[in-house]
Amino acid sequence: DIQLTQSPSLLSASLGDRVTITCRPSQGISDYLTWYQQKPGKAPKVLIYGASNLRIGVPSRFSGSGSGTEFTLTISSLQPEDFATYYCQQHSSYPITFGQGTRLEIK
Amino acid sequence: DVQLAESGGDLVPPGGSLRLSCAASGFLFSDHDMDWVRQPPGKGLEWVGRIRTKVDSYTTEYAASVRGRFTISRNDPSKSMFLQMTSLKTDDAAVYYCARVRDSTLYGSYADFWGQGTLVTVSS
Repeated sequence: DIQLTQSPSLLSASLGDRVTITCRPSQGISDYLTWYQQKPGKAPKVLIYGASNLRIGVPSRFSGSGSGTEFTLTISSLQPEDFATYYCQQHSSYPITFGQGTRLEIK
Repeated sequence: DVQLAESGGDLVPPGGSLRLSCAASGFLFSDHDMDWVRQPPGKGLEWVGRIRTKVDSYTTEYAASVRGRFTISRNDPSKSMFLQMTSLKTDDAAVYYCARVRDSTLYGSYADFWGQGTLVTVSS
């Protein structure tokens, strides 16, 4: 199974900050990586697919990069609605796996 | 609009069985693979399994933790997917989400729309 290691697990930041979350697969996955945002009590929503493609309707302050064994999700200027938990997911091979999540909280 | 609605969550004793349903609308259900994903209270996401379309003979994939105990099926005319769960364990307690899979030649197959989930509690 491909393990995904997200870091950090907890990120404290302020409005307007630029933040980066990293996801490292245990083996190469090309660009078969999706980033999700989840708010309490809600279902996850897609932010980025194919490692770097912004889903329609997602604000442009979100961006993704990377390939193979290192990926990043960057939020360029934090807004109040961005405080949530973020997950990476690989779908290169079965079983599909998720990172453990990064909780982004207000400093 | 794409809509997915899970139902069937309940309190069941360890060793019991439960069947979850997922009702889809707003898209051509028969054209999409579908996933089940679960989330134990306060914890992260765990992929449970996938069912492919008729074109791929409705084949399925499962996580090792549920293989042999859970069965995914679908009924395309009624736009529904099901998760039959047997021999339930306390570790199976979670919110269960169904999700539509977007199949892209370039970007692979990932869950692009999710339902709101249904809660399964396993306790005596």
